[in-house]
Amino acid sequence: DQQVKQNSPSLSVQEGRISILNCDYTNSMFDYFLWYKKYPAEGPTFLISISSIKDKNEDGRFTVFLNKSAKHLSLHIVPSQPGDSAVYFCAASGFSGNTPLVFGKGTRLSVIA
Amino acid sequence: EAQVTQNPRYLITVTGKKLTVTCSQNMNHEYMSWYRQDPGLGLRQIYYSMNVEATDKGDVPEGYKVSRKEKRNFPLILESPSPNQTSLYFCASSLTRTGGRGGTQYFGPGTRLLVL
Repeated sequence: DQQVKQNSPSLSVQEGRISILNCDYTNSMFDYFLWYKKYPAEGPTFLISISSIKDKNEDGRFTVFLNKSAKHLSLHIVPSQPGDSAVYFCAASGFSGNTPLVFGKGTRLSVIA
Repeated sequence: EAQVTQNPRYLITVTGKKLTVTCSQNMNHEYMSWYRQDPGLGLRQIYYSMNVEATDKGDVPEGYKVSRKEKRNFPLILESPSPNQTSLYFCASSLTRTGGRGGTQYFGPGTRLLVL
């Protein structure tokens, strides 16, 4: 059973426009959510996170939104740049119930110049 | 510089020939884990370790062994590799296993393994 789902395997966006990557989760014990970015031939790197006590967290061009009632989070990149082209993994974990980090399958973002 | 290192980065081997992929972290992290990444399957956890001499199976442990004799090292051992273990492997570490910033995992650069 997939606890963290990224239903779009790929996404193409024009440079300068907004990229929206979506993630859904099923485990109500999750209370901390992260996005990782992965370039080819490199390990995933931490991008941004959000605690369940918030519904939004911003870091420069990156914003993560959390909708707890819908068990849905999204990553917005504005404006998108060609260097943002990468695979993005959504991940979730929880203090409650000792819930370890679980990853989604990833979404490949291509930003076209 | 805080980092997770893996060696080798690339490895071609033949079925049945034992191999070890090393992993080391310099952040004094308690928690370490191994993942494999395959097309369409994302990151799947193989084994994890909560601390020295404490290891446990992840989602796909078959065909793999690990050990944690020192806090900083967490080698992945394939006793008898098979072609279905051809994959991209990542080692990761974090302060804790779960929740909050302490659970944020830091990844090594990856080891690409081809088993013929």
